[in-house]
Amino acid sequence: EIVLTQSPGTLSLSPGDRATLSCRATQSVSWYLAWYQQKPGQAPRLLIYDTSARATGIPDRFSGSGSRTDFTLTISRLEPEDAAVYYCQQYDRTPLTFGGGTKVEIK
Amino acid sequence: QVQLQESGPRLVKPSGTLSLTCAISGASISSDKWWSWVRQAPGKGLEWLGEINLGGTTNYNPSVVRRLTMYREDSKNQFSLELTSVIAADTAVYYCARHVVDSATPIEDWGQGTLVTVSS
Repeated sequence: EIVLTQSPGTLSLSPGDRATLSCRATQSVSWYLAWYQQKPGQAPRLLIYDTSARATGIPDRFSGSGSRTDFTLTISRLEPEDAAVYYCQQYDRTPLTFGGGTKVEIK
Repeated sequence: QVQLQESGPRLVKPSGTLSLTCAISGASISSDKWWSWVRQAPGKGLEWLGEINLGGTTNYNPSVVRRLTMYREDSKNQFSLELTSVIAADTAVYYCARHVVDSATPIEDWGQGTLVTVSS
């Protein structure tokens, strides 16, 4: 099973700041890496797929990069509504696996 | 816009069977998409349980493979999950979900989730 490790566990930033979230895989997942946003009491929402492609309706302040084992989600200018937990997920092979999540707090 | 709705008992006794159904609207289960179940224990992260495709082919997470069955009911446009021999650690919000295409694609649509508690 491919294990995904996300860091940091929590980010506490101010509106307008840049947030950088990391996801590291125990083996290469090529570019088959997605990012999801989950707010309390809600289902996850797809933000980024194939490492860097934005899902429909996702603002361009969200961007993804990386390859093989190291990936990054960047939120260029934080908005209050970006407060959430962010998960990475690999779909290179089954079992599909998720990272443990990074919680983004807005000061 | 596809909508997914989970339903089933919210409370299951230890050693019993957890059964959930995902009703699909706005799309056909007979499309060439893969459908998955994902769960989230309270305060924890996401765990993929398994997937099923058009032909009924399934892939299960090794963590639950001995206890999990997924099946489709095309006439009702829904798919279901049965998890046997449940324990307290199976307490979670269970989400049904649809992939963009197949299992080598991300999950595009999610149900709202349903909390199932395993307790006597």
